Amino acid sequence: EVQLVESGGALVQPGGSLRLSCAASGFTFSVYWMTWVRQAPGKGLEWVANIKGDGSEKYYVDSVEGRFTISRDNAKNSLYLQMNNLRVEDTSVYYCAREFGGFDAFDFWGQGTTVTVSS
Amino acid sequence: DIVMTQSPDSLAVSLGERATINCKSSQSLLYSSNNKNYLAWYQQKPGQPPKLLFYWASTRESGVPDRFSGSGSGTDFILTISSLQAEDVAVYYCQQYYTTPYTFGQGTKLEIK
Repeated sequence: EVQLVESGGALVQPGGSLRLSCAASGFTFSVYWMTWVRQAPGKGLEWVANIKGDGSEKYYVDSVEGRFTISRDNAKNSLYLQMNNLRVEDTSVYYCAREFGGFDAFDFWGQGTTVTVSS
Repeated sequence: DIVMTQSPDSLAVSLGERATINCKSSQSLLYSSNNKNYLAWYQQKPGQPPKLLFYWASTRESGVPDRFSGSGSGTDFILTISSLQAEDVAVYYCQQYYTTPYTFGQGTKLEIK
């Protein structure tokens, strides 16, 4: 059974940093592109970043480029999102999701982890 | 960036009736080399993550009831629920994966009339 479990969400002050993790199981993690999607309270979905199975390609939405870094450790079946210089507008539930393939739909999603940026 | 626009923003339909949600992209999502539309539909119920319903615009994900259908090509797409059930109350999103940044529509909230 495919499972994605996010962790690391917290309350952080503007300008602070946070590292989110996503533990994957039930599939061959290293083969799949993985993605982070966020959802601000009461709002819609926003794609944040994705990474190829071997980590060789990464893409970001403009609003996080230079502040967020997506990475993965295939030996640990884990996906990460390092978030620096956080802003109030980064407050969201962050979901990790598996991409069916590269440039593909997201076929499995985690339950999400909550990041709140506030002073 | 490709802008995805859904209509309507909200929709109230009687049980057993048809529900139709539209999604329009600011540029074509049809990739000529493989003749596929890079468009997905998701369903999100309160307090839950989104669930994939359709990919390639019209390919139903395993386990999705056949009262759901996806159609369209190029820039105009439709999600149809042929006979609304109570468990279909949710917010529905379209999403393009033709190019990064991937973008979602704003969502359509479907309720029972």
